Amino acid sequence: EVYLVESGGGLAQPGRSLRLSCAASGFFFDDYAMHWVRQIPGKGLEWVSSINWDSSEIGHADSVKGRFSISRDNAKKSLFLQMNSLRPEDTALYYCAKDIGSTLLYNAFDSWGQGVLVTVSS
Amino acid sequence: QSALTQPPSASGSPGQSVTISCTRTSGDVGSFDFVSWYQQHPGKAPKLIIYEVRKRPSGVPDRFFGSKFDNTASLTISGLQAEDEADYYCGSDAGKNRGVFGGGTKLTVL
Repeated sequence: EVYLVESGGGLAQPGRSLRLSCAASGFFFDDYAMHWVRQIPGKGLEWVSSINWDSSEIGHADSVKGRFSISRDNAKKSLFLQMNSLRPEDTALYYCAKDIGSTLLYNAFDSWGQGVLVTVSS
Repeated sequence: QSALTQPPSASGSPGQSVTISCTRTSGDVGSFDFVSWYQQHPGKAPKLIIYEVRKRPSGVPDRFFGSKFDNTASLTISGLQAEDEADYYCGSDAGKNRGVFGGGTKLTVL
């Protein structure tokens, strides 16, 4: 069974940084693209960042470009999101999600973690 | 503003069918060939129910049907059940290694 467990969330002041991690198990992590999706409680889903199986393809939403950086460590079966220059509007539940394929072609997320809450406030 | 537009709400009675649309309203979406649909119950993570427009992951009942015509993708749920009451989101590739979701549709089973 696929497990995705996010960590690293919490309260941060505007302008500060947080690093989210996602520990994966139950599947061949190297074979799949991975994503971060966020959701303000009570609101809709927002795609944040994507990375293909070997980190050669990366994409970020315009709202986070230049501030957030996605990465992965296949040896440790882990996905990361480095979040710099945080803003109050980054406050949301952040989900780690697994793609159905290895590239960023499909953008279909067949497994999700339970999410980690990030709150940006002074 | 999302480049995929969904109706904010939909409803149907048990046993009936309901269709939720997802319209590409901006050129800022990729090929629109790889549309996915997600079901999200309150307090839960989203669940993939349709990918590549019409394919169902293992375990998703065939009451869930995906289709697409021109710039509009649709999710049809037949034989509505109480447990189908949830939020539904469409998603697609947006080109240039990006993704996009629709604004979501709240389905009420009357």
